Amino acid sequence: DVKVTQSSRYLVKRTGEKVFLECVQDMDHENMFWYRQDPGLGLRLIYFSYDVKMKEKGDIPEGYSVSREKKERFSLILESASTNQTSMYLCASSLEGRSHSPLHFGNGTRLTVT
Amino acid sequence: GNSVTQMEGPVTLSEEAFLTINCTYTATGYPSLFWYVQYPGEGLQLLLKATKADDKGSNKGFEATYRKETTSFHLEKGSVQVSDSAVYFCASLFSGGYNKLIFGAGTRLAVHP
Repeated sequence: DVKVTQSSRYLVKRTGEKVFLECVQDMDHENMFWYRQDPGLGLRLIYFSYDVKMKEKGDIPEGYSVSREKKERFSLILESASTNQTSMYLCASSLEGRSHSPLHFGNGTRLTVT
Repeated sequence: GNSVTQMEGPVTLSEEAFLTINCTYTATGYPSLFWYVQYPGEGLQLLLKATKADDKGSNKGFEATYRKETTSFHLEKGSVQVSDSAVYFCASLFSGGYNKLIFGAGTRLAVHP
């Protein structure tokens, strides 16, 4: 079974802090994604990566950056956390490039910014 | 632009009731369509998918048919169980999109004994 592991289940940070959310997948997937999940809005794509050191902006990249130095790890960075970034963050990975293969999700990190 | 709209929840049903969760999409082409499910405390899992018009996806007693004429992909199950309580997300994928799914807002289903 594919396993996508997010390093923290719950995080509480202060406004202005730099925050790192880590995600690791164990199945050699090319594609990795970061979504945020908010009530009534579903999942919105922040950033994705289709190869090591490659990244693409999603629909809501403002206030975020990402890093993919190794194929199995995709980090989401909040340079200066703000209260409107309080949310559930979901990491996902998938196998192939352009053709669809199922996304495999981690269990999420619930971030609270106070 | 491309978008997915699904019915608002929560949907509350008794065990063995019939379930329908509506989903419609807007698109300039013909996307692949998916239903994902999120059980409490977990990430999303793929439930079923359909990649072209008139395809029917099915899994665990759930079904959805890709209807091009009504741009819909409604989720149905004939007899729900308490264990089906979860949040259900409809999603679409457009060709050339690097697996960039567009998700609906999600519909919470609560099934009572």
